[in-house]
Amino acid sequence: NAGVTQTPKFRVLKTGQSMTLLCAQDMNHEYMYWYRQDPGMGLRLIHYSVGEGTTAKGEVPDGYNVSRLKKQNFLLGLESAAPSQTSVYFCASSPPDRENTGELFFGEGSRLTVL
Amino acid sequence: GQNIDQPTEMTATEGAIVQINCTYQTSGFNGLFWYQQHAGEAPTFLSYNVLDGLEEKGRFSSFLSRSKGYSYLLLKELQMKDSASYLCVSMDSNYQLIWGAGTKLIIKP
Repeated sequence: NAGVTQTPKFRVLKTGQSMTLLCAQDMNHEYMYWYRQDPGMGLRLIHYSVGEGTTAKGEVPDGYNVSRLKKQNFLLGLESAAPSQTSVYFCASSPPDRENTGELFFGEGSRLTVL
Repeated sequence: GQNIDQPTEMTATEGAIVQINCTYQTSGFNGLFWYQQHAGEAPTFLSYNVLDGLEEKGRFSSFLSRSKGYSYLLLKELQMKDSASYLCVSMDSNYQLIWGAGTKLIIKP
């Protein structure tokens, strides 16, 4: 009963390095999201996807790219990491009726530090 | 602009009752949610209100007043495991979620 799985859980990068965060869900959800969580702030949406092959920008998309080649996977990429991208990243998924239930299912989070 | 306001931190005693308030301003409204987040963990869904009134779910209840842009989460019979952050979330007219920064609830024996 995995739910939403994120890898890696922790990562330290140097400024300018690139990396990819992987999110996988086994609940057959249509919608997937990438959020970042910083101290004293609410969760902020980076990018989201409403189905396989589709992606859209959220509130803070700059410096990130995403891909949704398979329904169960949503990848978040940092092409050239910056210290401002030090954060905890959460992936989430939801069924297509999220408008009614509003429930998101979150992964455990990925703590990224950029030096 | 869109905004969620909730207290940064609250302290309560084990076995007592605590009410966490939230006010919101969003472009349109399609519901108000509460999530619980233990330190170092992911948020988990607690409740959803779209109509005015009180929704009760065990020890937790959530209230909504759309005319006042106000909600509260009521926790009864507090247990030590209730120590966590509680996130107030509003859904706007475009079904986008606006997240509050969270209220850290500290439970003392």
